[in-house]
Amino acid sequence: GNSVTQMEGPVTLSEEAFLTINCTYTATGYPSLFWYVQYPGEGLQLLLKATKADDKGSNKGFEATYRKETTSFHLEKGSVQVSDSAVYFCALSLKTSYDKVIFGPGTSLSVIP
Amino acid sequence: NAGVTQTPKFQVLKTGQSMTLQCAQDMNHNSMYWYRQDPGMGLRLIYYSASEGTTDKGEVPNGYNVSRLNKREFSLRLESAAPSQTSVYFCASNQGHGYTFGSGTRLTVV
Repeated sequence: GNSVTQMEGPVTLSEEAFLTINCTYTATGYPSLFWYVQYPGEGLQLLLKATKADDKGSNKGFEATYRKETTSFHLEKGSVQVSDSAVYFCALSLKTSYDKVIFGPGTSLSVIP
Repeated sequence: NAGVTQTPKFQVLKTGQSMTLQCAQDMNHNSMYWYRQDPGMGLRLIYYSASEGTTDKGEVPNGYNVSRLNKREFSLRLESAAPSQTSVYFCASNQGHGYTFGSGTRLTVV
């Protein structure tokens, strides 16, 4: 079946540390891949996306590259800030008539000063 | 601001009561969705609507009904609330470029 696996959290980092959150997927065909972020008490927001192999999505200093050979879409940021504390969800979208999105379980990130 | 609007933001129900969660989007998206989010369970799809006039069940539809009133509005109804339906409910819309989510409804059933 189609699924998304993320590294388990919570992840705790010091400010200015390097961030990697691993994400791998299983899917039939060629999905689009996404990272969403959820800040405390809010809904999910689209952070970045990639629609085909080797595409790199980027936003707010975060990056992720669509790796078809390893079925991965790892999220990275060179220097995290306290304001990046949130839950991060990796997701894939299948090209169906209703663009259904399958979410990973989420990874909680806490950045301490 | 353009986006997805959900009402109410908070609600407490007694077991057996009914209520409707409202959702409206102003982005002219075809697809709309209802999810619930529970600790340790991630996001689970309740119902979705691929277009105006159509609705389909997701992973956890039992105890819920939906109505796609028009292209903008997609409501979720609990006919007889149960404590297991205590959750945070999110509405979302999509036009192939990624979901836009509402800010959620925190529902407690006592």
